[in-house]
Amino acid sequence: EAGVTQFPSHSVIEKGQTVTLRCDPISGHDNLYWYRRVMGKEIKFLLHFVKESKQDESGMPNNRFLAERTGGTYSTLKVQPAELEDSGVYFCASSQESLMYGYTFGSGTRLTVV
Amino acid sequence: KQEVTQIPAALSVPEGENLVLNCSFTDSAIYNLQWFRQDPGKGLTSLLLIQSSQREQTSGRLNASLDKSSGRSTLYIAASQPGDSATYLCAPIRAGNKLTFGGGTRVLVKP
Repeated sequence: EAGVTQFPSHSVIEKGQTVTLRCDPISGHDNLYWYRRVMGKEIKFLLHFVKESKQDESGMPNNRFLAERTGGTYSTLKVQPAELEDSGVYFCASSQESLMYGYTFGSGTRLTVV
Repeated sequence: KQEVTQIPAALSVPEGENLVLNCSFTDSAIYNLQWFRQDPGKGLTSLLLIQSSQREQTSGRLNASLDKSSGRSTLYIAASQPGDSATYLCAPIRAGNKLTFGGGTRVLVKP
């Protein structure tokens, strides 16, 4: 079974530019989550999709962040325009409907805004 | 609001010693709790998942206990090896499927 795939693995962009991160969850996992860790801080929740619907987006920092999951398969997280404080590692995870099986995380995308 | 604390923040031991990593959380209304490992520059690897109805879970040299009522979980790693060097993260899962992470324990096992 393929795991959760994220790309790019690294991205360096200038302040004010736009970046789009992609996540491919494990096939059949309806739940998809985005988390991020900024420098020196704990990993924090951003949002949760169930299929193509946003179940909880309470962790999204502001309206410069836009997440989509068209067709309930892969998801994208766009940051527009990027600011310096957006630098960090963005993780995607997926899970089955039942929480009995826990989460599977991707390797993350390291975003650096300069 | 769930808060998770992991103690110690860092741990350095000689190879062969047993490791004890502690996690405490403020909201005991959890569904389950997951322990992860993170290697530098890598993603999170799931180690153990403990259901809220369980008191412990074992996998090889790893054993995790859960005391939901007191808001504590402990990860034991027996006979540590240099390959166990990593950051270990505890994450209780609450309503809405949301994971809350602690700051992690950074472990170094010296050969």
